[in-house]
Amino acid sequence: EAGVTQSPTHLIKTRGQQATLRCSPISGHTSVYWYQQALGLGLQFLLWYDEGEERNRGNFPPRFSGRQFPNYSSELNVNALELEDSALYLCASSVRQDQETQYFGPGTRLLVL
Amino acid sequence: QKEVEQNSGPLSVPEGAIASLNCTYSDRGSQSFFWYRQYSGKSPELIMSIYSNGDKEDGRFTAQLNKASQYVSLLIRDSQPSDSATYLCAVNTDTGGFKTIFGAGTRLFVKA
Repeated sequence: EAGVTQSPTHLIKTRGQQATLRCSPISGHTSVYWYQQALGLGLQFLLWYDEGEERNRGNFPPRFSGRQFPNYSSELNVNALELEDSALYLCASSVRQDQETQYFGPGTRLLVL
Repeated sequence: QKEVEQNSGPLSVPEGAIASLNCTYSDRGSQSFFWYRQYSGKSPELIMSIYSNGDKEDGRFTAQLNKASQYVSLLIRDSQPSDSATYLCAVNTDTGGFKTIFGAGTRLFVKA
């Protein structure tokens, strides 16, 4: 069974640009979570999507947004990139949010110059 | 107070010893708890999940949960150099909407 996949693996952007990150969950999983992991820091919760809707978001500005498609894949968009947005962005999926384990993809490493 | 707190380490143990990793959390209503292992430059991988008070064993790993003390721990028996990684404690909470809160992680070094 294929795991969570993310693309691209690496992304280099300049300040002010927009970045789009993509995630495909494990087959049968309907929930997708996005996390930011800045260098040397822990995982910070960004967004949770389930059944095509945004269910919760973390303490991040509105320029971090996303969506979930009918096939449960998801996209994270970061507008007006800032240098401090440089981080590893991790996507995870689960069957449902209620006590179910999240399985992580390999991540997208975003570098903002 | 951080929502999920871990000693950042590094924790250094000799090969074959028991490594003990600790985590405390602030939300009394939390119901599910997880330990993940993260190697440098890689994504987290699940080691254990625990939902009830007490111990849960899986091979060389034992998770312990004490909801009254808001404390969860992970014991690694017969530690191996390949266990050297950062261990993340994660807690599911419904406060302010469902989300998973991760601790900052404890770095473990197992010396051969």
